[in-house]
Amino acid sequence: SQQGEEDPQALSIQEGENATMNCSYKTSINNLQWYRQNSGRGLVHLILIRSNEREKHSGRLRVTLDTSKKSSSLLITASRAADTASYFCATDPLSGSARQLTFGSGTQLTVLP
Amino acid sequence: DAGVIQSPRHEVTEMGQEVTLRCKPISGHNSLFWYRQTMMRGLELLIYFNNNVPIDDSGMPEDRFSAKMPNASFSTLKIQPSEPRDSAVYFCASSYGSPLHFGNGTRLTVT
Repeated sequence: SQQGEEDPQALSIQEGENATMNCSYKTSINNLQWYRQNSGRGLVHLILIRSNEREKHSGRLRVTLDTSKKSSSLLITASRAADTASYFCATDPLSGSARQLTFGSGTQLTVLP
Repeated sequence: DAGVIQSPRHEVTEMGQEVTLRCKPISGHNSLFWYRQTMMRGLELLIYFNNNVPIDDSGMPEDRFSAKMPNASFSTLKIQPSEPRDSAVYFCASSYGSPLHFGNGTRLTVT
């Protein structure tokens, strides 16, 4: 089963608005990562947050992590049409084989111009 | 750096045929992953290699699937014989630790 599950499945907003996507997971993690996938392309890494971090920023991205609730959120501020893509969270488990990232089912974000 | 390179970008084949997907990871990366993406099942890890050695192939769906990594700069994923339910986008990714770097995938259609 998918470790990370994003919600909502789809999100449509106007350019300039903020977009928030959430991710829930089930087991203990080393870190949680967010990736973006444009149509017809591979996934691109956006940001990584370690289990001992609560918040991280990168440009217009803000990621939070709540290990007690096993959840994370990705906030994109001042969205642009170019942000239209699918966004996936991926968890790096604490135990088991290293580097076995498990991806969620993704949130499809549409930013309308 | 050219990134992870996959070939072909698209493959259309008939049921029963052998399909070989190819991947060139980023130079210096020591881990290589094969993923499959479908609408129904999302992104699934098929197999991953560390230093050219297969570490976990538990995600390989059936014996029809096999993967090799003869050297640090090349890997193949083979399906023999192919079936319509194998239709999907297959991604190769490489890394040195985190994060993963993905290729643009091979879209496989089996008719």
